[in-house]
Amino acid sequence: AQSVTQPDIHITVSEGASLELRCNYSYGATPYLFWYVQSPGQGLQLLLKYFSGDTLVQGIKGFEAEFKRSQSSFNLRKPSVHWSDAAEYFCAVGPKEEYGNKLVFGAGTILRVKS
Amino acid sequence: DTEVTQTPKHLVMGMTNKKSLKCEQHMGHRAMYWYKQKAKKPPELMFVYSYEKLSINESVPSRFSPECPNSSLLNLHLHALQPEDSALYLCASSDYPDRAPYEQYFGPGTRLTVT
Repeated sequence: AQSVTQPDIHITVSEGASLELRCNYSYGATPYLFWYVQSPGQGLQLLLKYFSGDTLVQGIKGFEAEFKRSQSSFNLRKPSVHWSDAAEYFCAVGPKEEYGNKLVFGAGTILRVKS
Repeated sequence: DTEVTQTPKHLVMGMTNKKSLKCEQHMGHRAMYWYKQKAKKPPELMFVYSYEKLSINESVPSRFSPECPNSSLLNLHLHALQPEDSALYLCASSDYPDRAPYEQYFGPGTRLTVT
């Protein structure tokens, strides 16, 4: 069955430091890939998506992600973290008809930013 | 405009009450979704409406009853809920669900507390 793994439950980085959040997926074919961010008590905001083409995708708020087929990964990066980036980040894959047209979410990574 | 609105923001209800959650989008999207999210967990899909027809019901208990009056509106009718139903309920929408790929846009959610 398809699955999404975010290995890090919590990550703490200093303000101004670089950030990388990991995401690995298990699918038979290249899925559609997404990163969402959720501030406490809020809905999910789409940061970026990968459907095809250039494997390095740019998103909002200065985030980027790189799709690596050989590693089944879609890691999220930001060169310099701001205190307002503290939130929970979800990687998601799908939907594709062969997977029931559903988004499958990872468990999420909580980002803490220290000053 | 990629906005999905949800009302109310917060709802407290007793186990014998009947209430409704409302969701609206004006992006011309033809699919709408209800998700349930417990604390520190990813969203769980409940229902999908595609072209105003219920296309996915993830074995949700009948005390949750979805309704899609038109392509812009989605309701979730609640009755005889249990305390374990307390959660953040998220609505989402997406374009042309039969023409993947597409991304889902989420609303801010309704925080439901069942007493």
